[in-house]
Amino acid sequence: GAGVSQSPRYKVAKRGQDVALRCDPISGHVSLFWYQQALGQGPEFLTYFQNEAQLDKSGLPSDRFFAERPEGSVSTLKIQRTQQEDSAVYLCASSLVEGVHNEQFFGPGTRLTVL
Amino acid sequence: GNSVTQMEGPVTLSEEAFLTINCTYTATGYPSLFWYVQYPGEGLQLLLKATKADDKGSNKGFEATYRKETTSFHLEKGSVQVSDSAVYFCALGSSGGYQKVTFGTGTKLQVIP
Repeated sequence: GAGVSQSPRYKVAKRGQDVALRCDPISGHVSLFWYQQALGQGPEFLTYFQNEAQLDKSGLPSDRFFAERPEGSVSTLKIQRTQQEDSAVYLCASSLVEGVHNEQFFGPGTRLTVL
Repeated sequence: GNSVTQMEGPVTLSEEAFLTINCTYTATGYPSLFWYVQYPGEGLQLLLKATKADDKGSNKGFEATYRKETTSFHLEKGSVQVSDSAVYFCALGSSGGYQKVTFGTGTKLQVIP
């Protein structure tokens, strides 16, 4: 079966441009997470959705970052007026249901480079 | 807040050597603990997990035991293979509601023939 997919896999943006990163979770998965992984670091939590509801956005680094999941399936992470410090790999993960023991399945990530 | 500290890499071992990657954590409540692995060019994969104190997670010859008294979750393997070369992340999941995972910085393992 298909896993979590993300597109594009690589994105180069000029400083100040807006970007949109897409995540297709595993079909039927209720929970969806976005993480940011800087070079040489572990992933850091950005935001969490349960179906279409964004229940936690405490990890979003600034108001330039916005995420949505309007129909409870595909999610988009948007970054406005990109800065060099936004360069990182953005990971999406999904899990079947909410709950502390439910495994998160990760996508391959989108590597964003801001010039 | 929650945090995870793991040994810095890179770790270079010969094939069939014994592997230990140390991991300690700070958390409130009773978190779940995980080891994730990232093979070159691939996404993060769950390697093993433990959900309560004294649980032992195991998979593909790797083991880790949830030690609440020492707040540790060290990863071990008795005999590594070249195919184990990857980056290993220790992580913990929040103890309530949805699982907000906190990761360590990762340890790169290189196994040479």
